Amino acid sequence: EAGVTQFPSHSVIEKGQTVTLRCDPISGHDNLYWYRRVMGKEIKFLLHFVKESKQDESGMPNNRFLAERTGGTYSTLKVQPAELEDSGVYFCASSRRTSGRQTYEQYFGPGTRLTVT
Amino acid sequence: QKEVEQNSGPLSVPEGAIASLNCTYSDRGSQSFFWYRQYSGKSPELIMSIYSNGDKEDGRFTAQLNKASQYVSLLIRDSQPSDSATYLCAVAQPGGYQKVTFGTGTKLQVIP
Repeated sequence: EAGVTQFPSHSVIEKGQTVTLRCDPISGHDNLYWYRRVMGKEIKFLLHFVKESKQDESGMPNNRFLAERTGGTYSTLKVQPAELEDSGVYFCASSRRTSGRQTYEQYFGPGTRLTVT
Repeated sequence: QKEVEQNSGPLSVPEGAIASLNCTYSDRGSQSFFWYRQYSGKSPELIMSIYSNGDKEDGRFTAQLNKASQYVSLLIRDSQPSDSATYLCAVAQPGGYQKVTFGTGTKLQVIP
């Protein structure tokens, strides 16, 4: 079974430009998450999709960030316009369909290292 | 107070010893707990999940949960140099939500 994949692995852009990150979850996983790790800080939750619906976007920093998951398969995270503080590693994770009140195990992709100069 | 707290380390143990990694959390209602291992420059890799009080063993790893004390730990028996990594404690919000809060991680060094 293929794991979570992310593209690109590394992106260097200038302040004010736009960048789009892509995540392909594990096949059959309805839940997809975006996280971010800024240097020296802990991994922080950005948002959660259940299939194509945004279940929780409480971690999104501001309206420069837009996440989509059309068709409930892969997801994109667009940053427009990028600012210096957006630099960090963006992780995507997925988990299987949930039932009840249990939080299921999340499997992480390799991450996209974003550098804004 | 941070939601999930870990000692940043580094924790140094000799090869073959038991490594003990600790984590405390602030939300008493949390129900789901996870340990991830992260090698430098790599993504977090899930090692253990635990949902009930007590111990859960998987190979050389044992996760321990004490909800009354809001404490979760990870024991690594017969530590190997390949276990050297940062170990992240992650706690899910109560109520079955899928949002997970991470600690800053404990760096483990296993000395050959």
